Amino acid sequence: SQTIHQWPATLVQPVGSPLSLECTVEGTSNPNLYWYRQAAGRGLQLLFYSVGIGQISSEVPQNLSASRPQDRQFILSSKKLLLSDSGFYLCAWSVLSGGDEQYFGPGTRLTVT
Amino acid sequence: GENVEQHPSTLSVQEGDSAVIKCTYSDSASNYFPWYKQELGKRPQLIIDIRSNVGEKKDQRIAVTLNKTAKHFSLHITETQPEDSAVYFCAASKWTGTASKLTFGTGTRLQVTL
Repeated sequence: SQTIHQWPATLVQPVGSPLSLECTVEGTSNPNLYWYRQAAGRGLQLLFYSVGIGQISSEVPQNLSASRPQDRQFILSSKKLLLSDSGFYLCAWSVLSGGDEQYFGPGTRLTVT
Repeated sequence: GENVEQHPSTLSVQEGDSAVIKCTYSDSASNYFPWYKQELGKRPQLIIDIRSNVGEKKDQRIAVTLNKTAKHFSLHITETQPEDSAVYFCAASKWTGTASKLTFGTGTRLQVTL
């Protein structure tokens, strides 16, 4: 069965510091991968998605970036965090070919101070 | 782009009663409509979904209906139980040819009281 991991689980970072969040998927090949952000008490906003290694599509212009160095690894980064970057970051995966269903990882709760 | 509106934002029902959450979407090309349940501090869990070629789908106590003409879909939970208490999100997506981009509603906090 498929498993999706995210780390770290929680993170407290000062404004202006860099960020790196990692997501890995087990038990499937060639998944589509997605990064979402959920602000406190709000819905989920799609940030990036990837259909393959090195292929990144950005949905929201901001100071975040994403990379996919391996088939089942998706990384969310920032060079300088803003207070507004605080939130719950969720990685999701779906089957590449015709796969609508998205399944979420456990998430990383980021607090920027 | 797609816009999804969800109502109500909070819903309180007594155990055993039914709960209905409604969503509308704007993009007539959207063709997949999932519902997620999120417990406090946890990841959203896919509980049911419906595609645009189907009008209704049921799974035990939960059901989803879709009206493509009116561009709205609803989640129905019957015989509610305390463990149904959570935040529920609807979403709509359109297949891009390589990926499915989900647009979420703002969520409904359901509280089931004893």
